[in-house]
Amino acid sequence: DGGITQSPKYLFRKEGQNVTLSCEQNLNHDAMYWYRQDPGQGLRLIYYSQIVNDFQKGDIAEGYSVSREKKESFPLTVTSAQKNPTAFYLCASKEWESTDTQYFGPGTRLTVL
Amino acid sequence: RKEVEQDPGPFNVPEGATVAFNCTYSNSASQSFFWYRQDCRKEPKLLMSVYSSGNEDGRFTAQLNRASQYISLLIRDSKLSDSATYLCVVNPEYGGATNKLIFGTGTLLAVQP
Repeated sequence: DGGITQSPKYLFRKEGQNVTLSCEQNLNHDAMYWYRQDPGQGLRLIYYSQIVNDFQKGDIAEGYSVSREKKESFPLTVTSAQKNPTAFYLCASKEWESTDTQYFGPGTRLTVL
Repeated sequence: RKEVEQDPGPFNVPEGATVAFNCTYSNSASQSFFWYRQDCRKEPKLLMSVYSSGNEDGRFTAQLNRASQYISLLIRDSKLSDSATYLCVVNPEYGGATNKLIFGTGTLLAVQP
């Protein structure tokens, strides 16, 4: 089945630790995105990547880092510099030019203890 | 003013009722519009795209009013399974290089038996 997978589903982290969230897609989509969702707020863009080995900061990139070494994979690292990391993290992807519809993975719920 | 605004609800309606949500957007140059559905603690899923004057898909009808800068979603014959949060999403530039979607905070619908 084609789709977007994220792992883990739930993640607990101690303050001061870096954690990496996985996002993989087998849809052959060019563009990939990371969002965070907090209660009462719309999704906010963290980073996005249009092609392999290239990525751009979104609206709230501070405290996060990404890589795009393969077309299918776009991992997100939440660093200790991120002051309020507890949130629901969503990865999305889309074909680059043929459409502007984004499709989402199931999300990772990160809790900082 | 928020870029995309929605009434958070909740909208409590009986089964079989017709319910409508509105969403306003601030950027008059916005090119494409979407409604996503999000179930509790799940990822958003595309419900409908709204590209021109509106479109219909079964019990769901989406309308776009560019002059007043709002889009609407009408659900006829509500089902219990329609209970979810409905996200209004705006793309400021069609097929643009960034495809940075702007998400509303969502409208919560609860269909009662």
